[in-house]
Amino acid sequence: GDSVTQMEGPVTLSEEAFLTINCTYTATGYPSLFWYVQYPGEGLQLLLKATKADDKGSNKGFEATYRKETTSFHLEKGSVQVSDSAVYFCALSGGYRDDKIIFGKGTRLHILP
Amino acid sequence: GAGVSQTPSNKVTEKGKYVELRCDPISGHTALYWYRQSLGQGPEFLIYFQGTGAADDSGLPNDRFFAVRPEGSVSTLKIQRTERGDSAVYLCASSLYSAASGANVLTFGAGSRLTVL
Repeated sequence: GDSVTQMEGPVTLSEEAFLTINCTYTATGYPSLFWYVQYPGEGLQLLLKATKADDKGSNKGFEATYRKETTSFHLEKGSVQVSDSAVYFCALSGGYRDDKIIFGKGTRLHILP
Repeated sequence: GAGVSQTPSNKVTEKGKYVELRCDPISGHTALYWYRQSLGQGPEFLIYFQGTGAADDSGLPNDRFFAVRPEGSVSTLKIQRTERGDSAVYLCASSLYSAASGANVLTFGAGSRLTVL
């Protein structure tokens, strides 16, 4: 079945460092891909998405590019801030309307001032 | 309402008891999802509804778990004969498929934390 694999955390970086969180997926068909974020004490929320190959999703300085050839959707940010400390989840949906969304296990990110 | 509302926020029960968790989705959202999140794990899919019917219940772990959405809005997740392994945060999400973006974006509630003693 469809699945998502993301790098294990925690990831600890200093403020202004470059961030990459790896995510690869296995899916039949043409899934949509997502990054969700869970800030401390808050609920899950969408960070960015991409619906087809070569699309780039972006939000709040984060970016991820849908790479069909490598089945990847790595999350990147050029200069992280303390406020980016959170748990990040890579996810996919089957690409059909209202299909279920499958999540990875999450990567905890700590940014040190 | 403005967001997805889940009640109770916390529930402590004893092994073997029956539990109901409620989800009130965003008004107008046709799809409603239940997930379970254990500590240090990602959300695990349980079931989703399209309107009143369960479109996919493949994630329900066993027949002790059941969910309903009788009028296509509020949903209740029901757990019978609870076990300690059922302890987790139960998340509800709703969505309205966006043809413009071509993606199904979920809006999550804050979750119901269930502890089975």
